[in-house]
Amino acid sequence: DSGVTQTPKHLITATGQRVTLRCSPRSGDLSVYWYQQSLDQGLQFLIQYYNGEERAKGNILERFSAQQFPDLHSELNLSSLELGDSALYFCASSVANNNYGYTFGSGTRLTVV
Amino acid sequence: GENVEQHPSTLSVQEGDSAVIKCTYSDSASNYFPWYKQELGKGPQLIIDIRSNVGEKKDQRIAVTLNKTAKHFSLHITETQPEDSAVYFCAASHFNKFYFGSGTKLNVKP
Repeated sequence: DSGVTQTPKHLITATGQRVTLRCSPRSGDLSVYWYQQSLDQGLQFLIQYYNGEERAKGNILERFSAQQFPDLHSELNLSSLELGDSALYFCASSVANNNYGYTFGSGTRLTVV
Repeated sequence: GENVEQHPSTLSVQEGDSAVIKCTYSDSASNYFPWYKQELGKGPQLIIDIRSNVGEKKDQRIAVTLNKTAKHFSLHITETQPEDSAVYFCAASHFNKFYFGSGTKLNVKP
C-alpha cells in the first residue's frame, strides 16, 4: 500500500456522461498530480495541485477539470466522455511542490462504452 | 521542455541473466531520476531513484547509473527472476515537473 488512495478502482460509463475520480494523498503530502495512461501508452501528465492551488498543467482536455479540497483530497472531473477517454487514471502525491517522496496510487480504470 | 527517450521498448531475458534499460534526457536542469515498475493493472511503484549529485546507486539486485555529461541514465537488474517481469518506466524531474519515458516491457523467461 503506497498510502495514496484512489476511488473507485473501476468505472464503466456511457459516452456523453460525466464522472468524478477521487484521490486522497499520502498523509502529510500537499501536492497531488493526475496522469492518464491509455492502453499500452506511457503516463501523460494532466494537472498538479499544491495545497489547494493549481500549480502545473499538462495535456489536459477542456472537458476535464480538477480541484484540491481543504482536506487535500483531489477530484478529477471528466465530462462529455468519449470512447477515447477509456484509460487508467493515476494520481500521485509528493510532500511539497517538488519531487520529494513522489508516490503513485493504484489507479482508476475508466471504461467508456 | 524536457524529452525523455527510453530503450528498448521490449526486452526478453532468460531467468538469471541481467537486464539493462537505458534512458536519455534533454534538459540539463533535471536533477532527479526515478525508475518505476508497473505490474499489470497496478500503479507505478518506485523501485530506485538517483539524484544528480550521485553517479551510481545500488539496492540489492537493482542499480542505476547516471551520466550527467551525456544526459543518460540506466537501470541494471542482475540475476533476473520471473517476478521481475513488468513494465519499467524511467523519468527525469526538475522541481515539480516529471517527464516519463515510454516504458520497457521486460519479460523474464523461466
